[in-house]
Amino acid sequence: GDSVTQMEGPVTLSEEAFLTINCTYTATGYPSLFWYVQYPGEGLQLLLKATKADDKGSNKGFEATYRKETTSFHLEKGSVQVSDSAVYFCALTSSSNTGKLIFGQGTTLQVKP
Amino acid sequence: GAGVSQSPSNKVTEKGKDVELRCDPISGHTALYWYRQSLGQGLEFLIYFQGNSAPDKSGLPSDRFSAERTGGSVSTLTIQRTQQEDSAVYLCASNQYQGSYEQYFGPGTRLTVT
Repeated sequence: GDSVTQMEGPVTLSEEAFLTINCTYTATGYPSLFWYVQYPGEGLQLLLKATKADDKGSNKGFEATYRKETTSFHLEKGSVQVSDSAVYFCALTSSSNTGKLIFGQGTTLQVKP
Repeated sequence: GAGVSQSPSNKVTEKGKDVELRCDPISGHTALYWYRQSLGQGLEFLIYFQGNSAPDKSGLPSDRFSAERTGGSVSTLTIQRTQQEDSAVYLCASNQYQGSYEQYFGPGTRLTVT
């Protein structure tokens, strides 16, 4: 079945450091790919998405490119801030065409001043 | 506008009791999803409703779990004879139509089974 694997955390960085959170997937068909973020005490929010190969999703300085050849969707940000501290989830829409999301395990990011 | 709301925000129950969790989706959203977020299993899909179609129940972990959606709007997730392993945060999400890319999530209900 479809699945998502993302790097284990926690990831601890200093402010202004470069961030990469790796995400790879297994899926039949052509899923859409997402990064969701969960800030402390808040609900899940969509951070960015990509719906086809080579698409780049971007938002709030974060970027991720849909790489079909490597089945990856790594999240990057050039300069993290303390306010980026959160749990990040990579996800895909399943091949069942219901739109249900299959999530990775989540990666906790802590940014220190 | 109003987002997805869920109630209660926290629920503590004794093992063996039944619980009902409620979700109010965004008005006009035809698709509604339930997920469960637990330490051991991460975020898992439970059930999906789309309009008047039969729900996709493929993620429900056992027959103690059931859900309904009345009038195409409010949904209730019921867990019968709760077990300690049911302790988790139950999340509801909605979107405007099947296959739409963004799901809007509610704040969740934290269920603790003692």
